[in-house]
Amino acid sequence: GENVEQHPSTLSVQEGDSAVIKCTYSDSASNYFPWYKQELGKGPQLIIDIRSNVGEKKDQRIAVTLNKTAKHFSLHITETQPEDSAVYFCAASGPRDTGKLIFGQGTTLQVKP
Amino acid sequence: EPEVTQTPSHQVTQMGQEVILRCVPISNHLYFYWYRQILGQKVEFLVSFYNNEISEKSEIFDDQFSVERPDGSNFTLKIRSTKLEDSAMYFCASNPRGGGTTDTQYFGPGTRLTVL
Repeated sequence: GENVEQHPSTLSVQEGDSAVIKCTYSDSASNYFPWYKQELGKGPQLIIDIRSNVGEKKDQRIAVTLNKTAKHFSLHITETQPEDSAVYFCAASGPRDTGKLIFGQGTTLQVKP
Repeated sequence: EPEVTQTPSHQVTQMGQEVILRCVPISNHLYFYWYRQILGQKVEFLVSFYNNEISEKSEIFDDQFSVERPDGSNFTLKIRSTKLEDSAMYFCASNPRGGGTTDTQYFGPGTRLTVL
């Protein structure tokens, strides 16, 4: 069935260090992979996304890489800041053409000042 | 910047009661979604809605759930007879064009439903 696995579940880094969160997906028909940041009491906010025809995308301190063969994609945050502390979710599009997203379990990132 | 809005922010209800959660998607978007998130767990897809009909639904979205776009701006989720396990945060999302090009989904702030 459709599934997205996300690791680690918690991640603690020192301010200025890099953070990496990894996801794997099960359905080879998935072609869109967004990353969302969720702060306490708020809805998920898109931070970056990647489509299947691209292997890497970068936006300032945030980058995402995609390996379609291995069905892996990763979020990289460089020069982390305390305000990066939040729960991060990866997601993959479902196989049907409806825009459905399948989410990973989430990673709680703590950036220590 | 346009955003998805949801009301109420928190709904408390008794088991067996009907609830309606309301959403106003971004105005020029065409696909609408409901997701739920049980406390501490992943966000789960419930239903997608396009052109005034359901385009896909999950196993969670059983006969107790229904969706409606009653007036061209609101998008509602109704739970006919709530159960304790329906307690969760419910998120509405909208998408400018939906599948195919898989454009970005924008999420609302959520409604926290508590069933007692």
